[in-house]
Amino acid sequence: DAGITQSPRHKVTETGTPVTLRCHQTENHRYMYWYRQDPGHGLRLIHYSYGVKDTDKGEVSDGYSVSRSKTEDFLLTLESATSSQTSVYFCAISESDPSSYNEQFFGPGTRLTVL
Amino acid sequence: AQSVTQLDSQVPVFEEAPVELRCNYSSSVSVYLFWYVQYPNQGLQLLLKYLSGSTLVKGINGFEAEFNKSQTSFHLRKPSVHISDTAEYFCAVSRHNTDKLIFGTGTRLQVFP
Repeated sequence: DAGITQSPRHKVTETGTPVTLRCHQTENHRYMYWYRQDPGHGLRLIHYSYGVKDTDKGEVSDGYSVSRSKTEDFLLTLESATSSQTSVYFCAISESDPSSYNEQFFGPGTRLTVL
Repeated sequence: AQSVTQLDSQVPVFEEAPVELRCNYSSSVSVYLFWYVQYPNQGLQLLLKYLSGSTLVKGINGFEAEFNKSQTSFHLRKPSVHISDTAEYFCAVSRHNTDKLIFGTGTRLQVFP
């Protein structure tokens, strides 16, 4: 299994509070991704990173920010959590470059509940 | 823009019966295709992938999928399912020379004894 951990694994928080989720990898892969999984929507890309300090938005980036100061860590921050951000969040990593295929390896997920 | 359609949100099947999970994609350019499986309360795990070459791809746990370019499909099949195959299955597509995967909405396979 790819060495990907996510913390925390479960979190319950209140509307309006800031929340940071952490993804840590030991594979030294270049690309890292944050997805959210919701019933009927599958997985939707929030943000991704193609290197240290290089990040870009996905399809559902509003209300989220990310940071990547080290290769191994990719942080997802909800500046002011809302109930619509209740979801399961998955981190993924990929070694691929544009000339290769994009096989992604997934972490175990973080279940976030915003009350 | 690319999109992936999984027509069946749920597929109930009895143990030892065959199963097919359908996936269609839309793209005007060459793509890579993937099937992922998600067991309850776990992350996604790659089942199989089509990159090029033979259109019939074999994966783990006895699953296989066939790439059909003319019908833009990549259906997943297994000749005889087990209780342990109960999970959610996601089809995904990646356009050549890009770094993003587009996922379908998933198909929940429920295997009954």
